[in-house]
Amino acid sequence: AQSVTQPDIHITVSEGASLELRCNYSYGATPYLFWYVQSPGQGLQLLLKYFSGDTLVQGIKGFEAEFKRSQSSFNLRKPSVHWSDAAEYFCAVGVGGKLIFGQGTELSVKP
Amino acid sequence: DAGITQSPRYKITETGRQVTLMCHQTWSHSYMFWYRQDLGHGLRLIYYSAAADITDKGEVPDGYVVSRSKTENFPLTLESATRSQTSVYFCASSEFGRNNSPLHFGNGTRLTVT
Repeated sequence: AQSVTQPDIHITVSEGASLELRCNYSYGATPYLFWYVQSPGQGLQLLLKYFSGDTLVQGIKGFEAEFKRSQSSFNLRKPSVHWSDAAEYFCAVGVGGKLIFGQGTELSVKP
Repeated sequence: DAGITQSPRYKITETGRQVTLMCHQTWSHSYMFWYRQDLGHGLRLIYYSAAADITDKGEVPDGYVVSRSKTENFPLTLESATRSQTSVYFCASSEFGRNNSPLHFGNGTRLTVT
């Protein structure tokens, strides 16, 4: 069955440090992959998406993600984290016209 | 402004009561979705709709009913609320409903069943 796993429930990084959030997927065909961010009390906002082509995709707010088929991964990265990046992050795969989400990773940013 | 509006933002109800969560979108998107968000589970799909009068079950449909008489509205009804339905509910829409179609989300309804 198709699934998405985000191994880290909670991550804390210092402001200005680099960030990598992990995402692993299980899907037989070419995956359509997404990263969403959810600020407290808000809905989910699309950060970036991967369909095909260049395996390194750029998104909004300075985020990027790299698709690695051999590792079934789609990790999210940011070179320098800002305090406003504190939020919950969700990885998702498109299946049958719907999105299947991972469990989410909560990011805390310390000064 | 165009977008998805969910109402109410917060709702407290008692076990056994019927409650309806409203969702309205102004994009005329064909596809609409209801997800629930719970700690440790991420977002799970309850129901979705490909068009007016077409609905289908998602991963966790039990205890919920949906309807879609108009393209822009997709209400979710809990016919007899249970404590296990305490959650944050998100409505979303998609223009094409394909695997590469991103979803656009409302701000959610936080439901507490006492």
